[in-house]
Amino acid sequence: RKEVEQDPGPFNVPEGATVAFNCTYSNSASQSFFWYRQDCRKEPKLLMSVYSSGNEDGRFTAQLNRASQYISLLIRDSKLSDSATYLCVVNMGGYSTLTFGKGTMLLVSP
Amino acid sequence: DVKVTQSSRYLVKRTGEKVFLECVQDMDHENMFWYRQDPGLGLRLIYFSYDVKMKEKGDIPEGYSVSREKKERFSLILESASTNQTSMYLCASSFPGTGGAETQYFGPGTRLLVL
Repeated sequence: RKEVEQDPGPFNVPEGATVAFNCTYSNSASQSFFWYRQDCRKEPKLLMSVYSSGNEDGRFTAQLNRASQYISLLIRDSKLSDSATYLCVVNMGGYSTLTFGKGTMLLVSP
Repeated sequence: DVKVTQSSRYLVKRTGEKVFLECVQDMDHENMFWYRQDPGLGLRLIYFSYDVKMKEKGDIPEGYSVSREKKERFSLILESASTNQTSMYLCASSFPGTGGAETQYFGPGTRLLVL
């Protein structure tokens, strides 16, 4: 049973590139959506919530398509410091519990 | 800033030992969670608690138990450690709710090696 699916990557991009990740979720009743970032050997940290209207935070843009049940994250002007694993996270209707995708690894090179 | 701390960053135990992993949060969060993270398997929920003395099984509770005697503290117990419990253990906490309120904040993790 795969509830939140992501391409594991790695995505190898040069500095300055634009890169996009997609994620699909299985439960149409899902309520809340997030992107978390996890650096190597560190804990996951919230990058941004994803809203139905789409939202932007600096170089990062998140989109939600409820009809197709997918979420996207766009990173513009990639920096070396963006190298990390990006986790797609969904509240599938269970009270306060979140379902995590396995993550997409991004490697930004000079 | 939310702070979630875990008692150990690295732990080495022998098969059959009883292992206690402690987690403390300082933001008065009602919800607390224990996950394990393994390569290729991602984060998997072991147990969670939405109030003092309350606990709920997650996706992989077998071989684990938990204790929540105080709001700020949530303990994970391995009754008899086995080698397949070698993993990274992550604690998290959150407020209850939906629509973004359930954002979880993670501790730094404990890398447990069972020999």
